[in-house]
Amino acid sequence: EAEVAQSPRYKITEKSQAVAFWCDPISGHATLYWYRQILGQGPELLVQFQDESVVDDSQLPKDRFSAERLKGVDSTLKIQPAELGDSAMYLCASSLTGTGVSYEQYFGPGTRLTVT
Amino acid sequence: TQLLEQSPQFLSIQEGENLTVYCNSSSVFSSLQWYRQEPGEGPVLLVTVVTGGEVKKLKRLTFQFGDARKDSSLHITAAQPGDTGLYLCARQGGSNYKLTFGKGTLLTVNP
Repeated sequence: EAEVAQSPRYKITEKSQAVAFWCDPISGHATLYWYRQILGQGPELLVQFQDESVVDDSQLPKDRFSAERLKGVDSTLKIQPAELGDSAMYLCASSLTGTGVSYEQYFGPGTRLTVT
Repeated sequence: TQLLEQSPQFLSIQEGENLTVYCNSSSVFSSLQWYRQEPGEGPVLLVTVVTGGEVKKLKRLTFQFGDARKDSSLHITAAQPGDTGLYLCARQGGSNYKLTFGKGTLLTVNP
């Protein structure tokens, strides 16, 4: 069964350092999402891609976070510099795309980030 | 912001017991989704409810969407340790079908 792949699964970094997460969506899924899930909360959308284009990045802290999906397949989320408050689970999800139709989002296992 | 409030926040029960968790909002939703998230994993979609008053069953899980489409409940019959996890409700809306999640109910089923 096809799955969304994420790496690394766990990352510990010191504050002010740079960190990057990678996501490989299910083959054929044009829409890719990055979510942040703080402990005790539900996931919150950071950025949504349609192919290589950003559709929604309204909740992405653009002063320190960046995301790219250069070839419209895999994606990288970067934080520079990391802050203590960035400690969270970073989830990637993907879905099919259709006009006027919503499709199920499939989530990867996430990257657990701890900033010390 | 159309918030989703879930209750209870935490629930610990013994194997074989029944339980109900709730998802409420002050706004009407066109649809509502329920997810289960196991520790160290991403959420997995359980069901989508669309019609007011709708009831859907998934084995021992029963999902209900309120008549006014402002609330939903998830009932588990004869809970098992494998049901342990974080149960999240979410609404999907906007032109980009963005998902907005509640904070979840963390369920622990003790053997």
